[in-house]
Amino acid sequence: DTGVSQDPRHKITKRGQNVTFRCDPISEHNRLYWYRQTLGQGPEFLTYFQNEAQLEKSRLLSDRFSAERPKGSFSTLEIQRTEQGDSAMYLCASSKPSGLARNTQYFGPGTRLTVL
Amino acid sequence: AQKVTQAQTEISVVEKEDVTLDCVYETRDTTYYLFWYKQPPSGELVFLIRRNSFDEQNEISGRYSWNFQKSTSSFNFTITASQVVDSAVYFCALRTERNTDKLIFGTGTRLQVFP
Repeated sequence: DTGVSQDPRHKITKRGQNVTFRCDPISEHNRLYWYRQTLGQGPEFLTYFQNEAQLEKSRLLSDRFSAERPKGSFSTLEIQRTEQGDSAMYLCASSKPSGLARNTQYFGPGTRLTVL
Repeated sequence: AQKVTQAQTEISVVEKEDVTLDCVYETRDTTYYLFWYKQPPSGELVFLIRRNSFDEQNEISGRYSWNFQKSTSSFNFTITASQVVDSAVYFCALRTERNTDKLIFGTGTRLQVFP
């Protein structure tokens, strides 16, 4: 299986700009997750999809954040009016609900966002 | 509340030493899953193991072994004969039935293995 891929790997932006990240899950994985990781911390859950339905959103996901998975395949995470506090690694993961590896989340390489 | 504690922030060892990374979890759920992930400098989280709350058997995979003890709410990870390639940050994570698919991570333990 091809692993989870994320694009871009690095993004530098100025405060106030909008940014969009893309995640392509492992094929046949119907669940897709977004996490945020700041320096020295473990990843924190942001949101997750089952197919195209967004089933849960963390309180960390402010109104400036929006995630979509329009056809149940890839997903995008958009941050509007970025702030310096948004600087972090954004991680995407996917899982499948059946089989030996069911419900185990496999992570992509992450997108590192720096807001100047 | 669900919580994962990794009290060891950083551990340094010399190659070939054995090292144990501690993980203590909190949950009131009776059904839950525990995970270990490795995060090398490249940043990608690599899945190592998953354990469910009904299976307390310890597991060994090559130089890696895991000790799950419900009585102390711990899920410790031991690397035998450490190698430089083991240098990474290791995360323990918890998933409970109540939290559906969300993983709750500890703060990680940075392991440095020196030649």
